[in-house]
Amino acid sequence: QVQLVQSGAEVKEPGASVKLSCKASGYTFTTNYVHWVRQAPGQGLDWMALIVPSDGYTIYAQSFQGRVTLTRDTSTRTVYMELSSLRSDDTAFYYCAREAGGIGAPAKRFDYWGQGTLVTVSS
Amino acid sequence: QSALTQPPSASGSPGQSVTISCTGSSSDVGGYSYVSWYQLHPGRAPKLIIYEVTKRPSGVPDRFSGSKSGNTASLTVSGLQAEDEADYYCSSYAGSNTHYVFGTGTKVTVL
Repeated sequence: QVQLVQSGAEVKEPGASVKLSCKASGYTFTTNYVHWVRQAPGQGLDWMALIVPSDGYTIYAQSFQGRVTLTRDTSTRTVYMELSSLRSDDTAFYYCAREAGGIGAPAKRFDYWGQGTLVTVSS
Repeated sequence: QSALTQPPSASGSPGQSVTISCTGSSSDVGGYSYVSWYQLHPGRAPKLIIYEVTKRPSGVPDRFSGSKSGNTASLTVSGLQAEDEADYYCSSYAGSNTHYVFGTGTKVTVL
């Protein structure tokens, strides 16, 4: 079965960076785009970025441009999300999610999600 | 890109129906048939319950249904059950610049 397993909770100081992981299993890793979405406390979901695992191509939301970097390791079927220059308002749950469909035919819906990683930014 | 607008809360007794609206613009909800709905329970991974406005993934009960009129999409949960108590978020594809936008979220309470 398809699973996305994310790394554990992180506590960081303002100005630091955090790098989260999302390990995929149960499907062909290079076939489906992987997205990152975050949810701040008491707030809604916010789309951050996507990566095409087959070639590493990335697209970032304008609001995170310059601070977020997605990478992938095809040998371990893992996607990484690094967020830099952390601020207190970056405190949130961060989710990775698989886009249904496949290369050349992304289906524009997120059919499987990771369990989420809580990042707390505090001095 | 602004978030899609949802009512903050909705409620109903077991067996009743509840409908949640999701209002966007012609740049997202009104411009594409790629509206999805997600169910979030605390501590669990979000779950896709409706995609492409009206379609249900395998395993999602037919008590969940979706629709769209103009720039507003709706999710209806019929025959409410205790396990339907959760947060619900709509999402829409919004073109090659913005990509995806989510709703503000609705907390559904089963009375």
